[in-house]
Amino acid sequence: DAGVIQSPRHEVTEMGQEVTLRCKPISGHDYLFWYRQTMMRGLELLIYFNNNVPIDDSGMPEDRFSAKMPNASFSTLKIQPSEPRDSAVYFCASSRGGRSYGYTFGSGTRLTVV
Amino acid sequence: AQKVTQAQTEISVVEKEDVTLDCVYETRDTTYYLFWYKQPPSGELVFLIRRNSFDEQNEISGRYSWNFQKSTSSFNFTITASQVVDSAVYFCARRPLNNNAGNMLTFGGGTRLMVKP
Repeated sequence: DAGVIQSPRHEVTEMGQEVTLRCKPISGHDYLFWYRQTMMRGLELLIYFNNNVPIDDSGMPEDRFSAKMPNASFSTLKIQPSEPRDSAVYFCASSRGGRSYGYTFGSGTRLTVV
Repeated sequence: AQKVTQAQTEISVVEKEDVTLDCVYETRDTTYYLFWYKQPPSGELVFLIRRNSFDEQNEISGRYSWNFQKSTSSFNFTITASQVVDSAVYFCARRPLNNNAGNMLTFGGGTRLMVKP
């Protein structure tokens, strides 16, 4: 089991650029979550999917953020245009829903917008 | 929102001391799960334990133990004989059992534990 795989591990970009973060969940997991971690706000849920369908995106900060899950094995989180306040660690996690499992988290993507 | 509160933002102990990390949660659900995660300096989030609201039996795993008190909505975590490698940020989290709530994990703010040699 390879775990949840996120790429890239680190991303440095200039303000105004588009950033795409990628996530491959664990095979067989039907829930996928995107979290953001900052010193000020801790771990915040941005959006989650069930069976590739977005269920709750109320945590997405604004229209500059978008997330997709075109199939069960891949999801992206896109920020366009990026701003310095988007600098954070972005975690993807997957879970087998309907059961008592915790989430398995990826290693995170550390995003720095300069 | 039903919050998870970790009142201790930072704890510093000397190696071999015992340390307890507090977690208090709010819930309107009758059934739910509670979790602890560890985030070492390398940054990943590591699952430590899951406890469901039906089961108030305390659990011990090596030097780790957890005390679940439903009456006080607390789920505290104790490390016995702490070691330097225990230095990390520890997060408590809650997840409703009701699938309509979307299986969302709500995290506390975390407690940074520093174990000094």
